[in-house]
Amino acid sequence: SYVLTQPPSVSVAPGQTARMTCGGDNIGSKTVHWYQQKPGQAPALVVYDDVSRPSGIPERFSGSNSGNTATLTISRVEAGDEADYHCQAWDSRGDHPVFGGGTKLTVL
Amino acid sequence: EVQLVESGGGLVQPGRSLRLSCAASGFTFDDHVMHWVRQAPGKGLEWVSGISWDGRIVNYADSVKGRFTMSRDNAKNSLYLQMNSLRAEDTALYYCVRAYSTSWSGYSDFWGQGTRVTVSS
Repeated sequence: SYVLTQPPSVSVAPGQTARMTCGGDNIGSKTVHWYQQKPGQAPALVVYDDVSRPSGIPERFSGSNSGNTATLTISRVEAGDEADYHCQAWDSRGDHPVFGGGTKLTVL
Repeated sequence: EVQLVESGGGLVQPGRSLRLSCAASGFTFDDHVMHWVRQAPGKGLEWVSGISWDGRIVNYADSVKGRFTMSRDNAKNSLYLQMNSLRAEDTALYYCVRAYSTSWSGYSDFWGQGTRVTVSS
């Protein structure tokens, strides 16, 4: 089945830029979605279809996808952005969604 | 307001069964594919099962195939997951998840708060 690989953790100081990667074989040919999960809460969609933001998500959140890596970028990081971030793509062979292992964003 | 409220979780012995339910409200239920996604303690998200808007297409993760059965009742705006032959590795928080449309491969735009399943003797 299709495998998505995320680094376990990323740390960044407030006001800086956080970049979280999601690796997969030729992932650039797929569409990738990102979910934010704060402690004790259900996941929430923050980026869909590689680059689009749902209503209510700040412009500080952006996505890109090319080659073997998709990236979620959070500009001007705030303490409230501290959370786990999960990427998701579609496994066309198994015909189902697949998730990465998640990245814990720590705001120093 | 969109709501997905899961129920039916609990502590169960290995080999026993459990039936999860998800009550949907605030949207047109049969306009959406639905999924069950689980999260083991301290772990990432794992897709479990998905069902088409009309219930005709159901797919399962290999880890649960043959043991779990997903269904929906559009008249009752409800989603179900019958879990049989439960194993310790099925211990997780189970989320009811809405896909954004009737498109089978679309993203998920709303998650319930989850119901916890613990399989232990």
